[in-house]
Amino acid sequence: KAGVTQTPRYLIKTRGQQVTLSCSPISGHRSVSWYQQTPGQGLQFLFEYFSETQRNKGNFPGRFSGRQFSNSRSEMNVSTLELGDSALYLCASSYSSGRAGNEQFFGPGTRLTVL
Amino acid sequence: AQKITQTQPGMFVQEKEAVTLDCTYDTSDPSYGLFWYKQPSSGEMIFLIYQGSYDQQNATEGRYSLNFQKARKSANLVISASQLGDSAMYFCAMNRAGNQFYFGTGTSLTVIP
Repeated sequence: KAGVTQTPRYLIKTRGQQVTLSCSPISGHRSVSWYQQTPGQGLQFLFEYFSETQRNKGNFPGRFSGRQFSNSRSEMNVSTLELGDSALYLCASSYSSGRAGNEQFFGPGTRLTVL
Repeated sequence: AQKITQTQPGMFVQEKEAVTLDCTYDTSDPSYGLFWYKQPSSGEMIFLIYQGSYDQQNATEGRYSLNFQKARKSANLVISASQLGDSAMYFCAMNRAGNQFYFGTGTSLTVIP
């Protein structure tokens, strides 16, 4: 079974631009979560989608948005990029949602650099 | 609020020795899950072991075991017989109902030959 895939793996953008990251979960998984990892803030939860609906949202500004398609693939969009958005963005998939103990499988991440 | 604390920024261990990575957590929910992930320099988070709040026995997965002390709210990871490939960042994480994970700040483990 293929793991979680994320594209692109590396991305360089300039301030003010927007970016779209893609995540394909493990086949059969319907939940996709996104995390931002920076040296200063560590791993922070962005949002979770389950069956095309946003279930949870972290404490990030509205410039960060996402969506999920009927095949469970998810995209994350960041508009008006700032230098502080430079980070590793990790996507994780899970079979279900709403229960403690759901194991999440992570993708390799997209490393975004904002110049 | 949920919180995960890892107090060891960096740890060193001799190859073939055992090492314990500390993790304490804070939650008022009775139902929660505790996880340990390994993150090599490549960036991918690799699942190691899981412990449910209602599990009576400590979880074990090969060379990994989780020392779960519920009253003390601690979930320490024990790696036995360390290998050079164990050198990586290790993150303790917790989730409650839903898939929002709360991560600690991580511990960098270096295995010395």
